[in-house]
Amino acid sequence: QAVVTQEPSLTVSPGGTVTLTCGSSTGAVTSGHYPYWFQQKPGQAPRTLIHDTSNKQSWTPARFSGSLLGGKAALTLSGAQPADEADYYCLLSYGGAWVFGGGTKVTVL
Amino acid sequence: QMQLQESGPGLVTPSETLSLTCTVSGGSIYSGTYFWTWIRQPPGKGLEWIGYIYYTGSTDYNPSLKSRVTMSVDTSKNQFSLNLSSVTAADTAVYYCASQIGYSYSWGPFDSWGQGTLVTVSS
Repeated sequence: QAVVTQEPSLTVSPGGTVTLTCGSSTGAVTSGHYPYWFQQKPGQAPRTLIHDTSNKQSWTPARFSGSLLGGKAALTLSGAQPADEADYYCLLSYGGAWVFGGGTKVTVL
Repeated sequence: QMQLQESGPGLVTPSETLSLTCTVSGGSIYSGTYFWTWIRQPPGKGLEWIGYIYYTGSTDYNPSLKSRVTMSVDTSKNQFSLNLSSVTAADTAVYYCASQIGYSYSWGPFDSWGQGTLVTVSS
């Protein structure tokens, strides 16, 4: 089974920009992996921020954006706010099976 | 807005079968739009995709769990279920049900989630 890798933790200053990445052990991440990004806060269920690489939900703040970058899926947070402190997970499709990354803990400090 | 609610035992004995049900309200499990999904999260750890079932009964499972997982739908009760056999302490986790939107050639968001239910495997 494929392994999906994310940075374990990242720190960003309030108002700053940070990019989270999501890599695959099978090679480059492409649009065919239909990358998702989820945000999870303590004690809460995850919620979808981005689906299919770059598509936002109605509840996704404009400061979040998704893309493919250097063979990985990427989630960029521009203008970080204290409310963005959370765990972020990516999810990739492998032809009928889906695999989560290990998650990135984002600290806004 | 569709709502999902997990139910089932919070404590399961090792080697037994974990059984959970997700009740869907505000929407129909017959909807061809959704793939009804189970995801779990061990305490303090990351998310793991378990699998999904379509209203037709078609399924896809995590290969690492496939030998122990069975999912089903009960259209009369608007529910879908998860059975995980031969459980061990490693199966202790918060189990979430969720609805993933699927299109003909793409995928949409997981637009509804249950609140999650903690299942502990212990004697």
